[in-house]
Amino acid sequence: DAKTTQPPSMDCAEGRAANLPCNHSTISGNEYVYWYRQIHSQGPQYIIHGLKNNETNEMASLIITEDRKSSTLILPHATLRDTAVYYCIVRVASRNRDDKIIFGKGTRLHILP
Amino acid sequence: DVKVTQSSRYLVKRTGEKVFLECVQDMDHENMFWYRQDPGLGLRLIYFSYDVKMKEKGDIPEGYSVSREKKERFSLILESASTNQTSMYLCASSRGNQPQHFGDGTRLSIL
Repeated sequence: DAKTTQPPSMDCAEGRAANLPCNHSTISGNEYVYWYRQIHSQGPQYIIHGLKNNETNEMASLIITEDRKSSTLILPHATLRDTAVYYCIVRVASRNRDDKIIFGKGTRLHILP
Repeated sequence: DVKVTQSSRYLVKRTGEKVFLECVQDMDHENMFWYRQDPGLGLRLIYFSYDVKMKEKGDIPEGYSVSREKKERFSLILESASTNQTSMYLCASSRGNQPQHFGDGTRLSIL
């Protein structure tokens, strides 16, 4: 899997948009960008994924640059419950041994009241 | 919504015991996975299964076995628990090449 780089921590005021960056400069053409988050003492939660087009769902938006070397996860109206570690990963969507998830260190997002 | 349920959130066992961790998913997913998560080591894949009665070793299968008798249930077995198996155990499931969805984890302590 290509490696990703994320800032170790970020703060965001409650009610504001949280923009979490991720660099993946060595991403391959068939690798997707996935975002997960992990709230303390819980299992990882899938948020969103995309290949090259921007994506939006009920939780977040994913903006991928045209060269696909970086992306931004946007939480449009952050709440205190969004405080978590956010992981950006790149991987091929496949059904074999490489299907395993590998998390880096992620970004610890603090939502400030 | 996908629901992956792990039987226990916290479990304390003794060295040498045989330990069973259960995972059930309600979305008819064919793929199921067992990971352990340790500080500084991230997620590591123990075993996975792409179908009933099918299993494949992940990166750290030693000391573990699994059972998949029904599509919705994937069990992790510690044959003879040791203190170095104290960890957070996470089960995940997915359909085809879609994203994996995780349970809330079992924090296992081996004394």
